[in-house]
Order: sequence, then C-alpha cells, then structure tokens
Amino acid sequence: AQKITQTQPGMFVQEKEAVTLDCTYDTSDQSYGLFWYKQPSSGEMIFLIYQGSYDEQNATEGRYSLNFQKARKSANIVISASQLGDSAMYFCAMREGSRGGSTLGRLYFGRGTQLTVWP
Amino acid sequence: EAQVTQNPRYLITVTGKKLTVTCSQNMNHEYMSWYRQDPGLGLRQIYYSMNVEVTDKGDVPEGYKVSRKEKRNFPLILESPSPNQTSLYFCASREVGSGYTFGSGTRLTVV
Repeated sequence: AQKITQTQPGMFVQEKEAVTLDCTYDTSDQSYGLFWYKQPSSGEMIFLIYQGSYDEQNATEGRYSLNFQKARKSANIVISASQLGDSAMYFCAMREGSRGGSTLGRLYFGRGTQLTVWP
Repeated sequence: EAQVTQNPRYLITVTGKKLTVTCSQNMNHEYMSWYRQDPGLGLRQIYYSMNVEVTDKGDVPEGYKVSRKEKRNFPLILESPSPNQTSLYFCASREVGSGYTFGSGTRLTVV
C-alpha cells in the first residue's frame, strides 16, 4: 500500500490566487513527520514546510501553510498568493517514527503534483 | 555553506560498466540516504545509512551497493549498470530533529 498518496497529478492556478495540494498518508506510528518539497524544472529538491505528528498547531512558512488533519491522515499544503515562480512539481513526504530503529529516518514520497501558475 | 554534494551531475555510460556516484555532506549528519526519481513514481529510497558502517536497504536496492566508511561520504555503486537504472538520483542527509538536505541530483543514462 502507498504510504503517501497525492491524488492530483496536475493543478492549475491563476497568479495571486491560493491553491491547495492534497496529500494523504498511511502509518500506524504515533510519531512521524510530514514534509513538502518543491522541485522546479531545474531538478533540485527544495524544502518547503514540516509538520510533526505531535505538533498541535498547523505549520506555516511564509506563503506556505500545512492543513494537518490527523484523524483523516491528511496533510495538504496551501500556497497563498501564487506566483509564476511557484510552477513546479510538489512532493509530499513522510518520515515514520522509530520501530526498533529499522525505519527511523526513512522518508516516503508521494508521486507528486505538477503545479502550473498562469498569469 | 551547509550542503550535500553529489558528483557527477550528469553521466552517460554503457551497460555493464561499473560506476560510482559520490555523495558528501559537510553538516556532520549521521543519517544519509539515496533515492531515485522516475517519471510518475516520485522518489523511491534505494539505501540508507544511520551512521558509519550501518547501512540498510530501502525500497529498490536491487542492482546497487553503498558503503559508509566515514560519516561525511556515502557513495552509490552500480556494479553492472543496466538501462532500467537510467534515472535521476538524489542523495540526502539528516540530523535527528532536523529536516532533510538534498544534493543537486545526478542524471544517469545507461545505454
């Protein structure tokens, strides 16, 4: 079973509008971390935002906010005031907690959502 | 500058010719890992290392080897590359309590 599911292969948004990219995850661990990365056409992986499973408040980083719904196992990212430079592939990822140390630090990725921002 | 450095950035090689992709980090991170990225599949973990001399398989380890003789380096070795290993490869490192830092990627083509 997929650990991370991103159901939107592609999304389009007009400049200055907000957009939500969906991410659901599957884990039986109590301690885990959720990440979002941006990959522009140049290929590098750029860290955007992190949410820990025990964090009570939703994470925010500038124009990025994470809508964390633990009971639904959902970690959607909201990008506000979209810019043309936001056009990129976006990946959701999860790090599971320790289970005898065998999976500590492993990072599971979704298949990504290609975001296109148009003027 | 804190970074993860991969070399080479681009490589075209022939089937069966052994190659090594190097990865080095200057942040004294204990955890390092390798991923491959293929269209429509996201990033999949190949191998990871929790510390020096400690390595373990990820989701797609077949055809790859790694070693972790020193903390800063984590090379990825393809003993006999095949065309299905054509991919974009990323190395990443992490310290406990911090996020993952990725290298710039290595685009490998095996013909």
